[in-house]
Amino acid sequence: GENVEQHPSTLSVQEGDSAVIKCTYSDSASNYFPWYKQELGKRPQLIIDIRSNVGEKKDQRIAVTLNKTAKHFSLHITETQPEDSAVYFCAANLPKGGTYKYIFGTGTRLKVLA
Amino acid sequence: DADVTQTPRNRITKTGKRIMLECSQTKGHDRMYWYRQDPGLGLRLIYYSFDVKDINKGEISDGYSVSRQAQAKFSLSLESAIPNQTALYFCATSDIDRNQPQHFGDGTRLSIL
Repeated sequence: GENVEQHPSTLSVQEGDSAVIKCTYSDSASNYFPWYKQELGKRPQLIIDIRSNVGEKKDQRIAVTLNKTAKHFSLHITETQPEDSAVYFCAANLPKGGTYKYIFGTGTRLKVLA
Repeated sequence: DADVTQTPRNRITKTGKRIMLECSQTKGHDRMYWYRQDPGLGLRLIYYSFDVKDINKGEISDGYSVSRQAQAKFSLSLESAIPNQTALYFCATSDIDRNQPQHFGDGTRLSIL
């Protein structure tokens, strides 16, 4: 089926610790995987993305890894800070009828405890 | 993302009223989308459009309709609003390139009494 599974649904970490969120996609033809951060009452904003021709991408404290064989990708946040508290969504593009659409995970609510 | 503008930002209305939410973009993207988000839940796709002549239903299109008036404008209508359509609505755009992200508007918070 067309779905992206995301785990965990909630995650609490102590400030300074690392956080990892995992997503699994169903269609091996998916080749683009963005991650969005949504603060309370605000719009989802892209924080990092990865294309299937690479296995890892980093941007300061944020990294994403991709395992195409297992069809899963993960978001890693190191040295977490209170401002990292938000809901994080993964997504995958899904080829459909000669074009594509995006499938979103159900979100992970991250709480960074000071 | 100021390039994707939604109006109104907040709306309170009564059951049975017709409501239109509007979205305009200056990103030059062909693809536009309407999503609904309920508290504590993810994004559910209502409708999407790949160009002016193309309209597609998403996973929860019942009770909604859309109009793509121009490349830059995509409106969502609730013909006869009901309380369970109370939610946060997001418009988004994306490039024709499948390896590019979506860009979201700031959302419309809709309350139906």
